[in-house]
Amino acid sequence: QKEVEQDPGPLSVPEGAIVSLNCTYSNSAFQYFMWYRQYSRKGPELLMYTYSSGNKEDGRFTAQVDKSSKYISLFIRDSQPSDSASYLCAMSRDNYGQNFVFGPGTRLSVLP
Amino acid sequence: DTEVTQTPKHLVMGMTNKKSLKCEQHMGHRAMYWYKQKAKKPPELMFVYSYEKLSINESVPSRFSPECPNSSLLNLHLHALQPEDSALYLCASSQDPSAGSGYTFGSGTRLTVV
Repeated sequence: QKEVEQDPGPLSVPEGAIVSLNCTYSNSAFQYFMWYRQYSRKGPELLMYTYSSGNKEDGRFTAQVDKSSKYISLFIRDSQPSDSASYLCAMSRDNYGQNFVFGPGTRLSVLP
Repeated sequence: DTEVTQTPKHLVMGMTNKKSLKCEQHMGHRAMYWYKQKAKKPPELMFVYSYEKLSINESVPSRFSPECPNSSLLNLHLHALQPEDSALYLCASSQDPSAGSGYTFGSGTRLTVV
């Protein structure tokens, strides 16, 4: 079993839809959770960072962490064509950057 | 300046060539990283520099040689690469190795080995 799993997609949705992106993980020691967005031919860009369980909202983006289920989600409201990118979850058991484990990423296409 | 700048953006090199990838940041970050990313795969950590000292080397072949001349610069020297080394090479930085706020990534160098 991979340490972090993520549906690779591609996921296609119409403009304005609510998008749900998810990751599951096997290591119960993970406490730090992040979502990165990566446009084609660009480096990943940090979208959301959360510690432990709970929700965090930033504009159209909401991150949820359910440590009891080892499941994290990123919701995008009112999706736009500019949201078309790959979304990678990342997580770590400690606060050390070198210990981040990335998920494989989900490719999202938002169709106008 | 909130960016990590990588040069060149594209590089094609032969298996006998020697080339270098460069990374620069002026955010005062003291941890810098090299990642390798193959198509449709997540980034894989190669090297970590913490306060200009190499702290992590993830069993990377010796044909990849990192260098950190100062706190703003990170180089990756390439020699005798193989075609399977073709990938996107990403540089990233963070405030320090214990920063939980995530990395700032550069746009990467797309390397093709022929």
